[in-house]
Amino acid sequence: AQSVTQPDIHITVSEGASLELRCNYSYGATPYLFWYVQSPGQGLQLLLKYFSGDTLVQGIKGFEAEFKRSQSSFNLRKPSVHWSDAAEYFCAVGARGGTASKLTFGTGTRLQVTL
Amino acid sequence: NAGVTQTPKFRVLKTGQSMTLLCAQDMNHEYMYWYRQDPGMGLRLIHYSVGEGTTAKGEVPDGYNVSRLKKQNFLLGLESAAPSQTSVYFCASRQLAGAYNEQFFGPGTRLTVL
Repeated sequence: AQSVTQPDIHITVSEGASLELRCNYSYGATPYLFWYVQSPGQGLQLLLKYFSGDTLVQGIKGFEAEFKRSQSSFNLRKPSVHWSDAAEYFCAVGARGGTASKLTFGTGTRLQVTL
Repeated sequence: NAGVTQTPKFRVLKTGQSMTLLCAQDMNHEYMYWYRQDPGMGLRLIHYSVGEGTTAKGEVPDGYNVSRLKKQNFLLGLESAAPSQTSVYFCASRQLAGAYNEQFFGPGTRLTVL
């Protein structure tokens, strides 16, 4: 069974600073990987996804993530954070070939942005 | 398109009461999912459906039942609510083809069981 670890529960960055949110996964093969963002009181919105090919993927809102097979990681990055990026971020892994393509989510990282 | 909608947005129940949460999607998606979100635990899958008339158990199915009588609707039922079911419930849907296709989420239902 797959699993996801987001080691940082809460991160605070200053507006304009760079951001990196960590995600480590456990899966026997190359997984499908996703980053979702949840603004307060809202549902989850997809930021980006990886399933094959280029290991650096670009997403919406200026976010990118890099798949590193050797480290079983899929860290999310943004070069300059905006106050509107304050939200909770979830990494998720999906198994290839599994029925229903169920996702396993991490416990989330809450991002606070100071002005 | 409305995407994925959930009804109601908020609900307060007393222990032992029953209720049904409704999820509707207008994207003609085959797969639908119910999750619960609790602080520090992320999202956990309750039940899911791979098509009209089919349902299956997820990670935390106990105390819940589901039905998918129409392709566009996925109902989550609590027969006898317990305080442990206080949570935020999210519905999601996905296209059939391509496991890498994203799940689209509804806005959530905040349920409190007293």
